[in-house]
Amino acid sequence: DIQMTQSPSSLSASIGDRVTITCRASQTISTYLNWYQQKPGKAPKLLIYFISNLQSGVPSRFSGSGSGTDFTLTISSLQPEDFATYYCQQTYRTPHNFGQGTKLEI
Amino acid sequence: EVQLVESGGDLVQPGGSLRLSCAASGFTLSSYWMSWVRQAPGRGLEWLATISEDGSQQKYVDSLKGRFTISRDNAKNSLDLQMNSLRVEDTAVYYCARDSKGGPKDYWGQGTLVTVSS
Repeated sequence: DIQMTQSPSSLSASIGDRVTITCRASQTISTYLNWYQQKPGKAPKLLIYFISNLQSGVPSRFSGSGSGTDFTLTISSLQPEDFATYYCQQTYRTPHNFGQGTKLEI
Repeated sequence: EVQLVESGGDLVQPGGSLRLSCAASGFTLSSYWMSWVRQAPGRGLEWLATISEDGSQQKYVDSLKGRFTISRDNAKNSLDLQMNSLRVEDTAVYYCARDSKGGPKDYWGQGTLVTVSS
């Protein structure tokens, strides 16, 4: 199985900050890396797919990059609604494992 | 508008069975792979299973060890998850999700809570 490791597990930041979350796969996953945002009591929401493609309706302050096994999610200027938990997921091979999550707090 | 609505979550005793359903609307179900994902209380997301457009292929996380079965009825716009031999550690919110091409889960239901406890 492909293991996904995110860092950090939690992160404190302020409105307007630039934030980066990293995700590492245990083996190469080509471009099959996706990012989700989840707020308490809600279903996850797809933010970015295939490393860097913004899902429809997602603000442009979100961006993704990386290749091979190392990937990043960047939020360029934090807004109040961005405080949530973020998960990476590989869909290169089943099981489509998620990272353990990064909780972004004020 | 794409909608996925799960149902069937309940309180069940260890060793019991439960069948979850996901009602799909706003898109052609038969054109998409579909998945189940769960989240234990206070924990992260765990991918469980996926099924092909016509139901001919199913893939599961190994840890389920044959206890869960994913199925679909495209004519009824429905996705199911049959869960047998339930354990306390199966307590979670269960989500159905639509797989866009290449696997990203682009739409999710609101989730249904399964509690396994005596």
